Amino acid sequence: GENVEQHPSTLSVQEGDSAVIKCTYSDSASNYFPWYKQELGKRPQLIIDIRSNVGEKKDQRIAVTLNKTAKHFSLHITETQPEDSAVYFCAASIDTNAGKSTFGDGTTLTVKP
Amino acid sequence: DAGVIQSPRHEVTEMGQEVTLRCKPISGHNSLFWYRQTMMRGLELLIYFNNNVPIDDSGMPEDRFSAKMPNASFSTLKIQPSEPRDSAVYFCASSLVEGLYGYTFGSGTRLTVV
Repeated sequence: GENVEQHPSTLSVQEGDSAVIKCTYSDSASNYFPWYKQELGKRPQLIIDIRSNVGEKKDQRIAVTLNKTAKHFSLHITETQPEDSAVYFCAASIDTNAGKSTFGDGTTLTVKP
Repeated sequence: DAGVIQSPRHEVTEMGQEVTLRCKPISGHNSLFWYRQTMMRGLELLIYFNNNVPIDDSGMPEDRFSAKMPNASFSTLKIQPSEPRDSAVYFCASSLVEGLYGYTFGSGTRLTVV
């Protein structure tokens, strides 16, 4: 089955700096890659996603890039703010698998004011 | 839409008791997922349904766990008998499969077994 590895497990940045989280996946058939943000004590929430026919997608301060050949994708957060502090999960899905996503282990991002 | 609705939000029970967690997915979503989250094990997929049919329950830890989805708007996860190691946050999530979309998670049920 699919295996998703996520790095780093923890990331600490200064407010205003950029943060990058990287994920690799094993199944070349995966074609949908969502990212979730989970604040302390709350539910994971979808923040951005990318499909395999696109190499990059941006939404304000967050962007995701996908390299299908290398089977890796990354989340980029620019101009970080303290409210960006959370656990971020990447995931990979195949459209033939009833929408099931395989999640990475999560990255704890801390933005220091 | 009110989103994915889970109940109860918190449950404290004694070891050996039966626990039932409930989930109402978003109307029109045709896949439903049950996850367990702990600090040690992260997010674990327990079971998921597509069009009310269980697709994969290989993540269910033991026979003490069972899940049902009698119709498109309701699912239950039952633990009988409960044990202290079952203490965790249990999330239900739903998604629309066609076209592939992300999950919408419920608020979770924090289960404590004493």
